[in-house]
Amino acid sequence: QVQLVESGGGLVKPGGSLRLSCAGSGSSFSVYDMSWIRQAPGKGLEWVSSITRSGSNMYYADSVKGRFSISRDNAKSSLYLQMDSLRAEDTAVYYCGKLYNYAYDSWGQGTLVTVSA
Amino acid sequence: QTVVTQEPSFSVSPGGTVTLTCGLSSGSVSTSHYPSWYQQTPGQAPRTLIYNTNTRSSGVPDRFSGSIVGNKAALTITGAQADDESDYYCMLYMGSGLRVFGGGTKLTVL
Repeated sequence: QVQLVESGGGLVKPGGSLRLSCAGSGSSFSVYDMSWIRQAPGKGLEWVSSITRSGSNMYYADSVKGRFSISRDNAKSSLYLQMDSLRAEDTAVYYCGKLYNYAYDSWGQGTLVTVSA
Repeated sequence: QTVVTQEPSFSVSPGGTVTLTCGLSSGSVSTSHYPSWYQQTPGQAPRTLIYNTNTRSSGVPDRFSGSIVGNKAALTITGAQADDESDYYCMLYMGSGLRVFGGGTKLTVL
């Protein structure tokens, strides 16, 4: 079972940038597609972005397309989310998730991103 | 824009059975959407219950089951317990790498 730990959240002003990281334990990190999922305060889960195991294909929700960029470094068992042009509505807890059979079978504990002046 | 629909809230008596559903604003849910279900309590990360329509995740008790009922995915909890009181989310695979979560169902056990 891969353990996932997110980091990099914090307070950022509208229009600013932030880079989230997700560290995976275990040698099997490179075998799985990975995703970022977020949850605004008091709201439901929202799929944000996914990346294939090799990093060759990336997918984004319309709400973040053109502003966020997902990447991974399998040698470091790490997943990243570069977030630019941040808006107040991007305020959320961001989770990384490991995909297995089209679903998430491992979740991190989440990192909070707050976009506010 | 695709909207995945869930009942906003549901109530069940202890020991009772409840079925939560997951539909599409346009069209029917099928096994090709690979429906999955997640349980979340306040302040915690989600826990995976069901994937690929009806496969229980490791450690999930067999009173949780998944299926397709009519044109929706369904999560049935048989013999509801107090600690089943949680938010439940479904997720559908929409193809081309895209995924959509439903708005979630708040389940009350009383």
